[in-house]
Amino acid sequence: QKEVEQNSGPLSVPEGAIASLNCTYSDRGSQSFFWYRQYSGKSPELIMSIYSNGDKEDGRFTAQLNKASQYVSLLIRDSQPSDSATYLCAARTGGANNLFFGTGTRLTVIP
Amino acid sequence: GAGVSQTPSNKVTEKGKYVELRCDPISGHTALYWYRQSLGQGPEFLIYFQGTGAADDSGLPNDRFFAVRPEGSVSTLKIQRTERGDSAVYLCASSKQGPLNEKLFFGSGTQLSVL
Repeated sequence: QKEVEQNSGPLSVPEGAIASLNCTYSDRGSQSFFWYRQYSGKSPELIMSIYSNGDKEDGRFTAQLNKASQYVSLLIRDSQPSDSATYLCAARTGGANNLFFGTGTRLTVIP
Repeated sequence: GAGVSQTPSNKVTEKGKYVELRCDPISGHTALYWYRQSLGQGPEFLIYFQGTGAADDSGLPNDRFFAVRPEGSVSTLKIQRTERGDSAVYLCASSKQGPLNEKLFFGSGTQLSVL
């Protein structure tokens, strides 16, 4: 079983819609969670981090964490074509030095 | 520098050859990470440096892989006797301090192709 699992997609949404990206993790000791955006041929870029149960909002992005269900999600409101990218979920176990990444979900926003 | 710099951006080599990949982190960042990303996969952790020392090398796949950071800034990832399965994008990242909850800044990667 992989540490972090994501649906690889592709996920297609129309412009202006809400895109919902999901991620599960296997290690209950994981304490820090991150969403990275990666454009094709480019390096990952951090867009959200979350450490506590509940929602965290930043502009059009909302990260949600449910530690009991070992579930992390990212919502993108008012999706734009420029949001089209692969979204990587990552988890870090407390004290660990490395981030475990999922395989990423490819999102396409259709104009 | 302004960002994490990796050279070369592309490296093509033959099976069995030795390669070195270089990473120049953001100035002042003490933590440095190497990841490997294969097509359609997420980045896979290889090794983490805090200063000059390798604090965690548990991700190195075998003893053909080695990395150094002698002066606590530039790091070199070294791969001996390359195999076709080593072909991937090698990503370097740095952060300001220790590993907990810190934002990682990634370089643009080195695309390694082993023929």
